[in-house]
Amino acid sequence: SAVISQKPSRDICQRGTSLTIQCQVDSQVTMMFWYRQQPGQSLTLIATANQGSEATYESGFVIDKFPISRPNLTFSTLTVSNMSPEDSSIYLCSGRTAGRNEQFFGPGTRLTVL
Amino acid sequence: GENVEQHPSTLSVQEGDSAVIKCTYSDSASNYFPWYKQELGKGPQLIIDIRSNVGEKKDQRIAVTLNKTAKHFSLHITETQPEDSAVYFCAASRYAGGTSYGKLTFGQGTILTVHP
Repeated sequence: SAVISQKPSRDICQRGTSLTIQCQVDSQVTMMFWYRQQPGQSLTLIATANQGSEATYESGFVIDKFPISRPNLTFSTLTVSNMSPEDSSIYLCSGRTAGRNEQFFGPGTRLTVL
Repeated sequence: GENVEQHPSTLSVQEGDSAVIKCTYSDSASNYFPWYKQELGKGPQLIIDIRSNVGEKKDQRIAVTLNKTAKHFSLHITETQPEDSAVYFCAASRYAGGTSYGKLTFGQGTILTVHP
């Protein structure tokens, strides 16, 4: 299975600030995704991180709020901008190898916004 | 788009009993169905998956069955152990082949508690 790591593992932030989450994947992964998991809820896809180009966002998520970068094949960042308490969630990085169905997840970043 | 319904939302069993979690999906073109286990404070872990050309798949104490006609699939855990306690998510996607992919649509999750 793919190895995916995230930093930070958790953070407590003040409203109005921004947090950047980093995701590192091993060389098996060619597709990267960002998910949000609100407390006690299921997983919701935020966007697909595209290497060297703008991310593809799902309905309800916009680039100004969740800017994403993927400068190379194995690294991506998600920024949660101008945070409010409603942004308190687990943010998960996920990866998949091209041509294969199996998708793997990182350990998540637990964000609390006060 | 795809919609996945998962039941039950909570399941409590005694150690050694079997546990069954069921999911239904709406898109008849979906052809890949993974199950994930999420332990407290961790990310989801892929535990088993099934493709639409197969009716059943087993891996030790875990099995998944698929009924394409009825558009439902189930996770079966036999001889449950306390370490099986976690949240389980089903998902569905449509795999188009090559580099094409379908987005995973997740069920709502089932909290499984195995009592010693």
